[in-house]
Amino acid sequence: SYELTQPLSVSVALGQTARITCGGNNIGSKNVHWYQQKPGQAPVLVIYRDSNRPSGIPERFSGSNSRNTATLTISRAQAGDEADYYCQVWDSSTGVFGGGTKLTVL
Amino acid sequence: EVQLLESGGGLVQPGGSLRLSCAASGFTFSSYAMNWVRQAPGKGLDWVSAISGSGGSAYYAGSVKGRFIISRDNSKDTLYLQMNSLRAEDTAVYYCAKTIGSYSYFDYWGQGTLVTVSS
Repeated sequence: SYELTQPLSVSVALGQTARITCGGNNIGSKNVHWYQQKPGQAPVLVIYRDSNRPSGIPERFSGSNSRNTATLTISRAQAGDEADYYCQVWDSSTGVFGGGTKLTVL
Repeated sequence: EVQLLESGGGLVQPGGSLRLSCAASGFTFSSYAMNWVRQAPGKGLDWVSAISGSGGSAYYAGSVKGRFIISRDNSKDTLYLQMNSLRAEDTAVYYCAKTIGSYSYFDYWGQGTLVTVSS
């Protein structure tokens, strides 16, 4: 089965840029979606199809996808960005999530 | 405004059954594939099952195949998950989630319903 690998945690200083990676075999050939989840809340879509932002998501959130790594980039990180982030793809009619990354804003 | 409201969670013994429901509103329910995604306490997201807009196609994670059945009633704008032969490892918050199309992103999520499998 297809696997997605994310770092368990990423830390970023307030106002700096955070990058969260999502590794998978030839993930560059797939559409990658990213979700933000804060404690006690349902996930929220922040990036779809590699690099597209839904309405209401700040321009500070961006995404890229190439070869074996997809990346979620959060510029000018704010305290409110502190959350768990998950990447997701489809493989053989099966939904696959990465293990999640806890973003800490220092 | 899109709304998804799950119900039916609770405490069930190992080997038991439970049926979850997800009432949808704010969009043309029959036009969209729907999914169930779960999250065990303190763990990550885990896709469970998907069903096409017509209900004619259904897909399952290997961990639930043969035990869970996804279905929908488009006349009632409601999604279901029949869970049989429940195990302790099925304990989780179960979310219903809407997708734009098959094999697409989850653009709306419900608030979830907790299923606890324990004796």
